[in-house]
Amino acid sequence: KAGVTQTPRYLIKTRGQQVTLSCSPISGHRSVSWYQQTPGQGLQFLFEYFSETQRNKGNFPGRFSGRQFSNSRSEMNVSTLELGDSALYLCASSLPPPSDEQFFGPGTRLTVL
Amino acid sequence: DQQVKQNSPSLSVQEGRISILNCDYTNSMFDYFLWYKKYPAEGPTFLISISSIKDKNEDGRFTVFLNKSAKHLSLHIVPSQPGDSAVYFCAANGYNQGGKLIFGQGTELSVKP
Repeated sequence: KAGVTQTPRYLIKTRGQQVTLSCSPISGHRSVSWYQQTPGQGLQFLFEYFSETQRNKGNFPGRFSGRQFSNSRSEMNVSTLELGDSALYLCASSLPPPSDEQFFGPGTRLTVL
Repeated sequence: DQQVKQNSPSLSVQEGRISILNCDYTNSMFDYFLWYKKYPAEGPTFLISISSIKDKNEDGRFTVFLNKSAKHLSLHIVPSQPGDSAVYFCAANGYNQGGKLIFGQGTELSVKP
């Protein structure tokens, strides 16, 4: 069974631009969570989607948004990029009903110049 | 407010000896705890978990201990192997929190031959 895939793996953007990251969960997984990893803050929870609905949200500004499609694939969008948004963005999926064990993708490395 | 803390950023252990990684939490509503291992340029990989109704869970060389009164958990790796060298994250999940995991800052384990 294929693991969680994330595209693209690397992105370079400039301040003020917007970016969309994509995540395809493991087949059969309906819960998708997003995390931001930075050297200073560690892994921080962004939001979780289950059955196309946002179920949990972390403490990030409204510039960070996401959505989930009927096939459970998810996207996250960051608008008006700031230098501090440079990070590794990780997506994780889990089995229904959402279990505690999450399977992570390799992440998307975003660099904002 | 760091609800999950790993106070040791790094740990160095000789091959064959025991590695003990520690984690403290502040939120008494957490009822499930997980350990993840992360190599550079990869997403975290699930290692082992423990429910708050238990105080120990074992899986091969990995054992997790939970002390609820002290709000402390630890991961023991016996015997340690060079391939165990990675960053280890502990994470916590609260009741009815779905896929929202709160992570510690991570401990970088180095196992020397």
